[in-house]
Amino acid sequence: AQKVTQAQTEISVVEKEDVTLDCVYETRDTTYYLFWYKQPPSGELVFLIRRNSFDEQNEISGRYSWNFQKSTSSFNFTITASQVVDSAVYFCALRRPGGFKTIFGAGTRLFVKA
Amino acid sequence: EPEVTQTPSHQVTQMGQEVILRCVPISNHLYFYWYRQILGQKVEFLVSFYNNEISEKSEIFDDQFSVERPDGSNFTLKIRSTKLEDSAMYFCASSEGWEGFGTNEKLFFGSGTQLSVL
Repeated sequence: AQKVTQAQTEISVVEKEDVTLDCVYETRDTTYYLFWYKQPPSGELVFLIRRNSFDEQNEISGRYSWNFQKSTSSFNFTITASQVVDSAVYFCALRRPGGFKTIFGAGTRLFVKA
Repeated sequence: EPEVTQTPSHQVTQMGQEVILRCVPISNHLYFYWYRQILGQKVEFLVSFYNNEISEKSEIFDDQFSVERPDGSNFTLKIRSTKLEDSAMYFCASSEGWEGFGTNEKLFFGSGTQLSVL
């Protein structure tokens, strides 16, 4: 069975702090896809990144970076120098190849205070 | 940037009534999805749709639910005989491609329809 665990329910930081959102996944598939989505207060889900399981290279996009560790089944997301606009719920998600269903974690609510 | 449009943004209905949630996916997208999010809980997959048929559905998507692409632009979710536990935010999503290295599988989500069943 597939499962995504985001153990941090809520995180509160002060602006300009770095923050890491944890994601641990379970799957029996040898190949799979991992995702992060952002859900701002306006409610829509915004795609941030897709990672293929065969590509363990970490990725950086501006203030965002992702650390994929296949050995520990983790796909953590770090925001550097956080800003108030980063306040949102962040979802980690998993999908198996050949399937259309994306399985989401419970989400981590991030509060960034000015 | 093009966006997925969902109407209405809020829908209130009485238990046992039928509702239709409407979505206009991005025009050149080929894959369509419905997800739902019960308040404070995780986002759950309901169904995916491609080439005018369901490509995958979850255990939630039983005979009470149906999807349709009645014309070239709309994608609808019908819920028959609504129950209290159907109250949730329903998200429509679309993607240009599906999977495969280099394929654009990025999901674009709408802002959701908040369904309240009384």
